[in-house]
Amino acid sequence: DQQVKQNSPSLSVQEGRISILNCDYTNSMFDYFLWYKKYPAEGPTFLISISSIKDKNEDGRFTVFLNKSAKHLSLHIVPSQPGDSAVYFCAATTGTYKYIFGTGTRLKVLA
Amino acid sequence: ETGVTQTPRHLVMGMTNKKSLKCEQHLGHNAMYWYKQSAKKPLELMFVYSLEERVENNSVPSRFSPECPNSSHLFLHLHTLQPEDSALYLCASSQSRGLAYEQYFGPGTRLTVT
Repeated sequence: DQQVKQNSPSLSVQEGRISILNCDYTNSMFDYFLWYKKYPAEGPTFLISISSIKDKNEDGRFTVFLNKSAKHLSLHIVPSQPGDSAVYFCAATTGTYKYIFGTGTRLKVLA
Repeated sequence: ETGVTQTPRHLVMGMTNKKSLKCEQHLGHNAMYWYKQSAKKPLELMFVYSLEERVENNSVPSRFSPECPNSSHLFLHLHTLQPEDSALYLCASSQSRGLAYEQYFGPGTRLTVT
């Protein structure tokens, strides 16, 4: 049973517009959520995170929203740039060393 | 070198071979991880070491054997692998609990078992 799900395998967005990537989870014990970006032939790189005590965290063009009642988080990228084209993974942890990752969403930003 | 490095980047091995993957982190972290990424599957946590002690072992077959001689180095020893073990193997590091949760990943080793 997959505890962290990214139901959209791919997303295409026009440059300058907003990209919204979604992630759902089932385990209410998760207390920290992270987003990673992965380019081909590279390992994932940390992008932004959010604690379960917050509902929003912002870092420049990237904002993560957490809806605990819906067990849903989303990553907003505004404005989207061609260099943002990558695979985005969400991950969750209960505060142990165990991280559960989603399967990823491939974002393509069209120039 | 900076960040997390992994060698080799690509490895092809037969089912009877023995090989090792190496990971080194230059970030001063004290927890290190091995993940497996197969096609169209999420990253699967294999092993975690904190302060050189194994703290997580995710029911991984014994043909995978980790070793953490110090907080900067992590190895994954491979023997008698199966074709389904072909995958991208990623190493990551982080600070201990309570300080930060972000993990920093290496570029991975693409393993092909023939």
